Amino acid sequence: AQKITQTQPGMFVQEKEAVTLDCTYDTSDQSYGLFWYKQPSSGEMIFLIYQGSYDEQNATEGRYSLNFQKARKSANLVISASQLGDSAMYFCAMRDSSGSARQLTFGSGTQLTVLP
Amino acid sequence: ETGVTQSPTHLIKTRGQQVTLRCSSQSGHNTVSWYQQALGQGPQFIFQYYREEENGRGNFPPRFSGLQFPNYSSELNVNALELDDSALYLCASSPGTSGGSYNEQFFGPGTRLTVL
Repeated sequence: AQKITQTQPGMFVQEKEAVTLDCTYDTSDQSYGLFWYKQPSSGEMIFLIYQGSYDEQNATEGRYSLNFQKARKSANLVISASQLGDSAMYFCAMRDSSGSARQLTFGSGTQLTVLP
Repeated sequence: ETGVTQSPTHLIKTRGQQVTLRCSSQSGHNTVSWYQQALGQGPQFIFQYYREEENGRGNFPPRFSGLQFPNYSSELNVNALELDDSALYLCASSPGTSGGSYNEQFFGPGTRLTVL
């Protein structure tokens, strides 16, 4: 069964510094997708970045990049130049081919706090 | 283009009651997924509807049921509410269930249900 593990319940980072949020996954599929979402206190899940299992290059979206290490089954999110507005809960999620719904499986999240 | 909307925003019910939550999918999206997010946890997949049919279900009892309408909006119904049903209920819409591993889900703001 697919599983996502986020081992950092909380992280602190100084404004303008970079931070890495860890994510490891487990799946027996060869084809899968990895996602990162941001959830502010308002509750809405905001899509940040996607990495496909066959993508040879690490995904980047503005200040967000995904450090994808397939052999280690890790998909860490790197946020560069942190801003106060980055303070939120961050979830790593995976979709593989198991189940007809191809639903997302989420980790338990990391609460990021950016300090001024 | 309007995004995913959910109603109501907040809801308070007592144990044993029934509740209906509503979701309007993003324009052009025919697939709606529902997730339950308990406090301090990642979202968990409840079920998905594709073209008005249930297309997959997570590990939730039958008292969690749903509907999808011809305009692709959706309802989540929960009967015989229990205290543990208190959670944020998220709806996500997507363009379809096929098409490789990448098929982004767009989330609504959620409905926060409290069961007393």
